[in-house]
Amino acid sequence: QSVLTQPPSASGTPGQRVTISCSGSSSNIGTNTVNWYQHLPGTAPKLLVYNNNQRPSGVPDRFSASKSGTSASLAISGLQSEDEADYYCAAWDDSLNGWVFGGGTKLTVL
Amino acid sequence: EVQLVESGGGLVQPGGSLRLSCAASAITFSSHAMSWVRQAPGKGLEWVSTISGSGDNTYFADSVKGRFTISRDNSKNAVSLQMNSLRAEDTAVYYCASAIYDPLSPDYWGQGTRVSVSS
Repeated sequence: QSVLTQPPSASGTPGQRVTISCSGSSSNIGTNTVNWYQHLPGTAPKLLVYNNNQRPSGVPDRFSASKSGTSASLAISGLQSEDEADYYCAAWDDSLNGWVFGGGTKLTVL
Repeated sequence: EVQLVESGGGLVQPGGSLRLSCAASAITFSSHAMSWVRQAPGKGLEWVSTISGSGDNTYFADSVKGRFTISRDNSKNAVSLQMNSLRAEDTAVYYCASAIYDPLSPDYWGQGTRVSVSS
């Protein structure tokens, strides 16, 4: 059971916009910033968003994120086949004194 | 470009020990916290441990506390994870990650090294 809650799966067709949610608590998302990662099997996880809504250099602006209270969300617009991957949210948890991750959302591009 | 290369993974019996290493390049190593994150087969990402840039502060997941230690050698741009009293549930791909954007954040990741704990 992950500390952060994500839907196990999401899907969309090419060109569509999909949103992935991430629910936490006051000790993690409610207090600290949220990261989002993209992970393709067999590769290194890639940081998509840090500090709730900031994109590292090289991440397309099709990826956007937001945070409100104890929840966060990642939106992917103009869905492409190469976006098919697992997506994880993460935040520092002040009670656990460590990082907590969501269980991951498997995105399928139909 | 930042490069992180993990090594030291392998097959070990329950109760055994293993030491993972991560070599970093193209970053001012001592300025960045380093983390280990793992992914068990068929499971999601699980944070294991983080060490501050100076090495003065370390953090561990409850699942490994007392069994794993983390250390770094800033003169060699390397971080290590000493894993003792290994259990079957420690079987996973272990990723090394460097903080780049936020002080303790696992931002940039290596390709991982596989650890299997089995008799």
